[in-house]
Amino acid sequence: SQQGEEDPQALSIQEGENATMNCSYKTSINNLQWYRQNSGRGLVHLILIRSNEREKHSGRLRVTLDTSKKSSSLLITASRAADTASYFCATPPTGSARQLTFGSGTQLTVLP
Amino acid sequence: DAGVTQSPTHLIKTRGQQVTLRCSPKSGHDTVSWYQQALGQGPQFIFQYYEEEERQRGNFPDRFSGHQFPNYSSELNVNALLLGDSALYLCASSSTGTSSLGEKLFFGSGTQLSVL
Repeated sequence: SQQGEEDPQALSIQEGENATMNCSYKTSINNLQWYRQNSGRGLVHLILIRSNEREKHSGRLRVTLDTSKKSSSLLITASRAADTASYFCATPPTGSARQLTFGSGTQLTVLP
Repeated sequence: DAGVTQSPTHLIKTRGQQVTLRCSPKSGHDTVSWYQQALGQGPQFIFQYYEEEERQRGNFPDRFSGHQFPNYSSELNVNALLLGDSALYLCASSSTGTSSLGEKLFFGSGTQLSVL
């Protein structure tokens, strides 16, 4: 079953614009992670935010976490065509920390 | 420093056949997890291997089995293939100290399995 659900399912923007993707999850978590996947190949870890953190930055990425609402957002600033990919949130459910449960992803298309 | 490598890249099988997929973890990693990703979906956890034993398993039937070798590489075996087993199979590696905390995973490029 999918723990996280991303919103929107698909997003199309112009190069230079910001892209915001949201993730909701169901159970309590220790951390929440965002991954990127190009063209159905391997996933690449982008950023991890712990349950006691509210915001985290990495380069052009900004992640927020609201544990009271069980939601997270990923903001990509000044998007580039190379950012075109699928983005997934993933959580290790409490009690099953050795696995990650992924959402169904947001397909981001950045138009040049 | 080699990352996670998987073989083969693509595979075509027919219903009822058996398949073996292979994975070598990132250097320094001793834990291997396998995920199945259907088209348009997020990856789903199959199982995790550490110290040559299955440590945790997701909601997959016994047709899915695995093995980990002393050099930490791993195999995923699927018996009696069904059309619904068609998917991208991803291997991910991590190190012992982090695996129990749900820390980040390093993924291979996957094996695309098509069952006809």
